[in-house]
Amino acid sequence: DAKTTQPPSMDCAEGRAANLPCNHSTISGNEYVYWYRQIHSQGPQYIIHGLKNNETNEMASLIITEDRKSSTLILPHATLRDTAVYYCIVRDSNSGYALNFGKGTSLLVTP
Amino acid sequence: NAGVTQTPKFRILKIGQSMTLQCTQDMNHNYMYWYRQDPGMGLKLIYYSVGAGITDKGEVPNGYNVSRSTTEDFPLRLELAAPSQTSVYFCASSYGGDRRTRYGYTFGSGTRLTVV
Repeated sequence: DAKTTQPPSMDCAEGRAANLPCNHSTISGNEYVYWYRQIHSQGPQYIIHGLKNNETNEMASLIITEDRKSSTLILPHATLRDTAVYYCIVRDSNSGYALNFGKGTSLLVTP
Repeated sequence: NAGVTQTPKFRILKIGQSMTLQCTQDMNHNYMYWYRQDPGMGLKLIYYSVGAGITDKGEVPNGYNVSRSTTEDFPLRLELAAPSQTSVYFCASSYGGDRRTRYGYTFGSGTRLTVV
């Protein structure tokens, strides 16, 4: 799986957009970008994933650069309940069965 | 759908005792997984299964056993519990084959185990 780099921590004011970056400069053509989050003491939660095009669902938007070497997860109106560790993972259909979460970005949403 | 259900949520074991962590999913996922997460660390894969009757070792299988007699259930057995097995255990499931790439993993809420 391609290696990913995320900032260790970020802050965001409640109601504002949270933009979480991820670098994956060694990504290959068949690898998808996935985002998960883990709220304290809970199991990881799948958020969104994409291959080349930008994606949006009820939770977030995923913006992938044209060269696919980086991406940004956008939470459009962050709430206190979005405080969590966010993980960016790159993998394809040949990836092993373990999800390698790395250290992620700890997002703190403040009132 | 309940998703992935794990029981119990908390358990304290004495050294040398045994127990089974239960995991069941109602999404008809072929693949199931067991992870452990130590404080401040990432998740490590213990065992996984690609279908009923098929199981295989992950990164840290020692001290654990699994079985997969049905699509829905994937229990994790701890024999002779040791303090090093104090951790939070997460069960997860996913579609198999090509669909595993197109969809994410669904995780349970975890079992917090302490061995004293």
